[in-house]
Amino acid sequence: DQQVKQNSPSLSVQEGRISILNCDYTNSMFDYFLWYKKYPAEGPTFLISISSIKDKNEDGRFTVFLNKSAKHLSLHIVPSQPGDSAVYFCAASAWSGGYNKLIFGAGTRLAVHP
Amino acid sequence: DTEVTQTPKHLVMGMTNKKSLKCEQHMGHRAMYWYKQKAKKPPELMFVYSYEKLSINESVPSRFSPECPNSSLLNLHLHALQPEDSALYLCASSQVGGFRVPSGYTFGSGTRLTVV
Repeated sequence: DQQVKQNSPSLSVQEGRISILNCDYTNSMFDYFLWYKKYPAEGPTFLISISSIKDKNEDGRFTVFLNKSAKHLSLHIVPSQPGDSAVYFCAASAWSGGYNKLIFGAGTRLAVHP
Repeated sequence: DTEVTQTPKHLVMGMTNKKSLKCEQHMGHRAMYWYKQKAKKPPELMFVYSYEKLSINESVPSRFSPECPNSSLLNLHLHALQPEDSALYLCASSQVGGFRVPSGYTFGSGTRLTVV
């Protein structure tokens, strides 16, 4: 049973336009949501996060929106750049046994083309 | 130093072999994790160490044996693996605190394991 779902395995966007990556979750106990970016042959790197008490968090070109009632979050990248081409993982965090347990979605491969 | 270093990057082993994966960090993080990622699947948590003690074992088969010899090192000992254990094994670390700090984990680049 996947608690975090990224239903689009891939997304292709033109350079300069907006990229929107979506994520749905099922567990209402999640209290933080994070986005990670992964290049081939590298580990995931933390990109941006949002607390469940907020509905928006912005960091430069990256904005994450959270809709708790719909159990949905999205990552907006504006403007998209070729260097943004990577796999993006959505992750949800729940406090469990003294640490933040992260549960990941399957990832969306973003391709930004000129 | 803001990196998690994993060695080796690639490993091919037979089903009767014994091998170890290594992970090292010098960020002062006291929580360390092993994740397993198969192709086109999300990373799945295997083990969590907190203050060098095993906190969580996500029902991982005993042919995987973790070890945390000190606060900077995390090993994963492998024995009698099956071909279906072939995957990318990711190590990560984070702070452990009495309050939530969702700055995320710092991941290593992973070890690509192939069991033949």
